[in-house]
Amino acid sequence: GQNIDQPTEMTATEGAIVQINCTYQTSGFNGLFWYQQHAGEAPTFLSYNVLDGLEEKGRFSSFLSRSKGYSYLLLKELQMKDSASYLCAVRDQNFVFGPGTRLSVLP
Amino acid sequence: ETGVTQSPTHLIKTRGQQVTLRCSSQSGHNTVSWYQQALGQGPQFIFQYYREEENGRGNFPPRFSGLQFPNYSSELNVNALELDDSALYLCASSWGLAGGNTGELFFGEGSRLTVL
Repeated sequence: GQNIDQPTEMTATEGAIVQINCTYQTSGFNGLFWYQQHAGEAPTFLSYNVLDGLEEKGRFSSFLSRSKGYSYLLLKELQMKDSASYLCAVRDQNFVFGPGTRLSVLP
Repeated sequence: ETGVTQSPTHLIKTRGQQVTLRCSSQSGHNTVSWYQQALGQGPQFIFQYYREEENGRGNFPPRFSGLQFPNYSSELNVNALELDDSALYLCASSWGLAGGNTGELFFGEGSRLTVL
C-alpha cells in the first residue's frame, strides 16, 4: 500500500527555524518532493531528493533517508509569508501526496 | 504563475449530474495529470495523460474519465456526481511522465466543485 504521514499542524514564530517531518511507506520510490500550497492557491514546487542527504535551497532545505522512509523540510528565518500548507510527495509511477502540514507563522 | 490554466474556477452541481473540467497545459509540456483535493487533505492522483492516452490511474471509479487533445490540453469528466465528489480539482502539467526528468509538476489554480 501507499502511506505518507505528516503532522497536521505546526506553529512557529517569525525568524525561527521549523522542521516538518514526513514518513512514507510506498511500493516504489523515484524521488521525494516537497510542495508549498498557500490557502486557495495551487501547490508550487519547493525541493526534490532522490539520494540520501541534505539538499539546500536558500532558506529551505530538505533531507532524505531512504532506508528509514523519512524526510524533513527545514525552513530557516521564518517569514509571515511562509504560512502555508507543506505537502510531502513520493514519486513512483505517479505521485502520492501526504495530507499536508499547515504551518502558521506568528509575529 | 505556472502558465497552467483551468476552467471553470468554481461551479455548483447537483447529485447525479455530469461535469466537465478543462485544463490548458504550460507551453512545451506534453503530460497532464489530474488530482482531487478534499478540504484539508493532500491531492489524490486521479489519472495522467501522455500523448493523448491515459497512462496511469489512481483509485477512482470509471465515472471519472478524461481526454487529452493534440495541443496537450485536457478535460476531466465526472458522471453521476455524488456528494463526496465535492473538492478542488487540480490539473498539473509536465514534460514527460510523472514530472519527467526534473519531477516537477506545474499546477493550475484548480476548479472548485460543489455537489449539492
